[in-house]
Amino acid sequence: NAGVTQTPKFQVLKTGQSMTLQCAQDMNHEYMSWYRQDPGMGLRLIHYSVGAGITDQGEVPNGYNVSRSTTEDFPLRLLSAAPSQTSVYFCASSYGGHPSNTGELFFGEGSRLTVL
Amino acid sequence: AQSVAQPEDQVNVAEGNPLTVKCTYSVSGNPYLFWYVQYPNRGLQFLLKYITGDNLVKGSYGFEAEFNKSQTSFHLKKPSALVSDSALYFCAVRDGSNAGNMLTFGGGTRLMVKP
Repeated sequence: NAGVTQTPKFQVLKTGQSMTLQCAQDMNHEYMSWYRQDPGMGLRLIHYSVGAGITDQGEVPNGYNVSRSTTEDFPLRLLSAAPSQTSVYFCASSYGGHPSNTGELFFGEGSRLTVL
Repeated sequence: AQSVAQPEDQVNVAEGNPLTVKCTYSVSGNPYLFWYVQYPNRGLQFLLKYITGDNLVKGSYGFEAEFNKSQTSFHLKKPSALVSDSALYFCAVRDGSNAGNMLTFGGGTRLMVKP
């Protein structure tokens, strides 16, 4: 019963490096999303997807790319890391094509990224 | 635009006492309201939601929340706190009138329950 799985759990990057945060879910959820969590600011939506082949921008998309080639996977790419991207990143999914009009989100355990 | 305010960064309560974590919201349409809990080094877990119907909503682990439309509030409550309830709590809202709207989260409230 894996749910939402994120890798890696921890990562340290230097400014300008690139990396990909992986997210996979085994619940056949149509909706997947990426949030970043910063102290006192709650969670802010980066990108989301309502199904394979469909992605859209959230509140804070700059500096991040996503793709959704399968229902299960939703990787988040940082093309050129900046210190402002130091944060904890959460992947979340939900049944239905959208956070469901009524449904709740299922979260991964997070990926802590530090950019030096 | 929609927003959520959690006015208290931290709430301290003694074990066995009732607890309240406050949340107020702002949306232009129908509010869909959620509470999530985050334990240390874990992702958020869903506690309860209000979509429509009874203003008092019951959720996981004995928590409940009361929707108050006139005060635009959705406070989280529990009659008797446990030490294991200590965690970070997030309120979230989306505008149910617009299917394109995303969830907006509050800044979080840390609940500390002392023995």
